Amino acid sequence: DTAVSQTPKYLVTQMGNDKSIKCEQNLGHDTMYWYKQDSKKFLKIMFSYNNKELIINETVPNRFSPKSPDKAHLNLHINSLELGDSAVYFCASSQDLAGGYNEQFFGPGTRLTVL
Amino acid sequence: GDSVTQMEGPVTLSEEAFLTINCTYTATGYPSLFWYVQYPGEGLQLLLKATKADDKGSNKGFEATYRKETTSFHLEKGSVQVSDSAVYFCALTKRDSSYKLIFGSGTRLLVRP
Repeated sequence: DTAVSQTPKYLVTQMGNDKSIKCEQNLGHDTMYWYKQDSKKFLKIMFSYNNKELIINETVPNRFSPKSPDKAHLNLHINSLELGDSAVYFCASSQDLAGGYNEQFFGPGTRLTVL
Repeated sequence: GDSVTQMEGPVTLSEEAFLTINCTYTATGYPSLFWYVQYPGEGLQLLLKATKADDKGSNKGFEATYRKETTSFHLEKGSVQVSDSAVYFCALTKRDSSYKLIFGSGTRLLVRP
């Protein structure tokens, strides 16, 4: 059983299109995250949600809109895609926000290529 | 702001060699420190962690000690294997930044047979 799953694994699209990436976790965790990993492997947080409530919004362009229909899902919708959006996007989850001790469990990533 | 600095890679070693990957951090307060590992084509996995000064995290033969005096959390392994080839990320988190993970730039390790 996959703990954190993402779909699709690969996404190739044209500039200006709108696309969504879905994330689901079956760990019963309260907190979920989206990270962006650029071509140099640098990894940066974009958003976090705790029990469907937005906690972190890390100065991401408002073309990116996370949506959490329930605490097991955190989807990422991207409008008007730009070349610079090409990256690998990782979803992650953790048990909760409390303490600095929580391990984050990462999904396998979605490689987005904008042409 | 808070940040993590790692040694640039790639680090190339022969099997059974000793590994050190340097990590230093800049942070106010009392961060918790982590090493995550990313195998090719996969997401990140927690390798080890330390939550206060002088703690030693260890897992799968890897170790790192939280040194507050030198603001460091260097990763070490006494004898690397080909299967250790991966990208290693040092990271920190703090309660007053909503526990977001701040990552270093990653260090690629390549172990040759």
